[in-house]
Amino acid sequence: GENVEQHPSTLSVQEGDSAVIKCTYSDSASNYFPWYKQELGKRPQLIIDIRSNVGEKKDQRIAVTLNKTAKHFSLHITETQPEDSAVYFCAASRSRANSKLTFGKGITLSVRP
Amino acid sequence: EAQVTQNPRYLITVTGKKLTVTCSQNMNHEYMSWYRQDPGLGLRQIYYSMNVEVTDKGDVPEGYKVSRKEKRNFPLILESPSPNQTSLYFCASSLWLAGWNEQFFGPGTRLTVL
Repeated sequence: GENVEQHPSTLSVQEGDSAVIKCTYSDSASNYFPWYKQELGKRPQLIIDIRSNVGEKKDQRIAVTLNKTAKHFSLHITETQPEDSAVYFCAASRSRANSKLTFGKGITLSVRP
Repeated sequence: EAQVTQNPRYLITVTGKKLTVTCSQNMNHEYMSWYRQDPGLGLRQIYYSMNVEVTDKGDVPEGYKVSRKEKRNFPLILESPSPNQTSLYFCASSLWLAGWNEQFFGPGTRLTVL
């Protein structure tokens, strides 16, 4: 089955700096890669996703890049703000019926004011 | 308002006392799933359901049961809870092609088994 790994497990940045969170996956047939954000005490929520037919996707201060050859994808957050502090989960899935979404273990991002 | 609801939100119980955590969604989603979240282990899938009367095991199904008699409801049953089932539980739903679509999570149920 699919195995998704995230690194580092914790990341601390200064407010205004950029943050990059990396994930690797094992199943070369995976072609959907979402990122979920979980604020303290809240439920996970989708913030951005990418499908394998594109290499990069941007939405305001966040972007995701995908390297299918190397089987890794990354979340980039620019101009970080304290409200970006959260746990971020990457995930991977195939695009077919009954496909399972496999999550990484999560990365705790802390943005220092 | 489109949402996934879970009840109860918090539960403290004792070993062996059967319990049910309910999950309901009002988005007419076909796919529903249960996850448990533990520190350092991320989100692990317990069971999922592709549609009414169709359920399957996820990564950590031992000690849990589910049923899907109606499209909107997907209860999680712990027949004989044990302390290692102390965890934060999330129900989620999405349109078909589960892994290809956004999953909407419920608010979570924090379960403590003494």
